[in-house]
Amino acid sequence: QSVLTQPPSVSGAPGQWVTISCTGSSSNIGAGYDVHWYQQLPGTAPKLLIYGNTNRPSGVPDRFSGSKSGTSASLAITGLQAEDEADYYCQSYDSRLSGSVFGGGTKLTVL
Amino acid sequence: EVQLVESGGGLVQPGGSLRLSCAASGFTFSNYAMHWVRQAPGKGLEFVSAISPNGDTTYFANSVKGRFTISRDNSKNTLYLQMGSLRAEDMAVYYCARVGLPAASRGWFDPWGQGTLVTVSS
Repeated sequence: QSVLTQPPSVSGAPGQWVTISCTGSSSNIGAGYDVHWYQQLPGTAPKLLIYGNTNRPSGVPDRFSGSKSGTSASLAITGLQAEDEADYYCQSYDSRLSGSVFGGGTKLTVL
Repeated sequence: EVQLVESGGGLVQPGGSLRLSCAASGFTFSNYAMHWVRQAPGKGLEFVSAISPNGDTTYFANSVKGRFTISRDNSKNTLYLQMGSLRAEDMAVYYCARVGLPAASRGWFDPWGQGTLVTVSS
């Protein structure tokens, strides 16, 4: 059972948009700790997608955006492309556990 | 190019030990906190351990506390994870990852290494 809760799967057609939620609690996201997002393509290491809730590293398309409110955060992907098919993970810090915590991951299927 | 390369994974019997290494290049290793994150087959990501830039502060997930130790050699730009009393549930790909900002104790992870597989089986 992951500390941060994500839907196991989401799907969308090419060109559409999807959102992935990440729900935490008062000891992590709700305490004000930043949320970060990673994309993991099959058979590869995770890659940073969004840091500090809303920031994109250089090279990440602006089709990807992040937001945070209260004890939750969301990743939005617009203009879905076949190459976006991957697993997506949120990450934050938990003061009660004194360590980083991850969501269980969401598998994105592009129909 | 900023790069992390793990090594040391392999097959180990339950109760055995293994030491993983993570060689860093392309940045000033001694300025950054480092983490180990693992991923069991078909499962999600799990924080394992973290170490401060100078090595004087360490953190462990409850699942590995007392069995794993983390260390670093800043003169060799290398991070280590000494794993002991290994269990079936420790079987996973182990990634090393750099914290995003120098001197920060926590934050985002970038980059990640390619991972090294640890198999625990008799």
